Amino acid sequence: QVQLQESGPGLVKPSQTLSLTCTVSGGSISSGGYYWSWIRQHPGKGLEWIGNIYYSGSTYYNPSLQSRVTISVDTSKNQFSLKLNSVTAADTAVFYCARLRYNNLADFDLWGRGTLVTVSS
Amino acid sequence: EIVMTQSPATLSVSPGERVTLSCRASQSVSSNLAWYQQKPGQAPRLLIYGASTRATGIPARFSGSVSGTEFTLTISSLQSEDFAVYYCQQYENRPLTFGGGTKVEIK
Repeated sequence: QVQLQESGPGLVKPSQTLSLTCTVSGGSISSGGYYWSWIRQHPGKGLEWIGNIYYSGSTYYNPSLQSRVTISVDTSKNQFSLKLNSVTAADTAVFYCARLRYNNLADFDLWGRGTLVTVSS
Repeated sequence: EIVMTQSPATLSVSPGERVTLSCRASQSVSSNLAWYQQKPGQAPRLLIYGASTRATGIPARFSGSVSGTEFTLTISSLQSEDFAVYYCQQYENRPLTFGGGTKVEIK
């Protein structure tokens, strides 16, 4: 079955760019009409949607992060990626990649296990 | 932005009890509401979508309902594996937003 796996540095310095990749296995990122998403969870806190991408490259971002976020897709590698620039300690969080169940306004039916990114010098 | 408010923040319950969790939307989201369960160290798991449809593999003891902008997740008889944090999420509008969560703990 389809699985998602996040990867990337666990430690990023303040003011630098956080970069994460989500690898989709067991299925093609280009099939099924799914949108793919990044979500973060600050330590001990709730969930915050970051943005979505379709295999065509069409994106939607949370306005609260839009000025600092870029989500991209590489269909040849079956991956999509997150870049968050100018990070501060407030960006320390567990980052999840997830699949939206049927379009760009939907629930998340499949999640990666998450990866903790700490912003610290 | 649609604000989702969950109550209570924490619920202390004994196994076998019936549990009712609430989620209120700041404006209409129709039935575009999902519920998730999250256990420590794990990703959230989709339980309910469309306000009342159980996701694949979710036991029948989980049910969802809606009345206007008030959504309810009911666990008919709490099992030991159900102790977790539960989140609601609206997908009526972007940005997609989640409630703050309700922690169901052992009494």
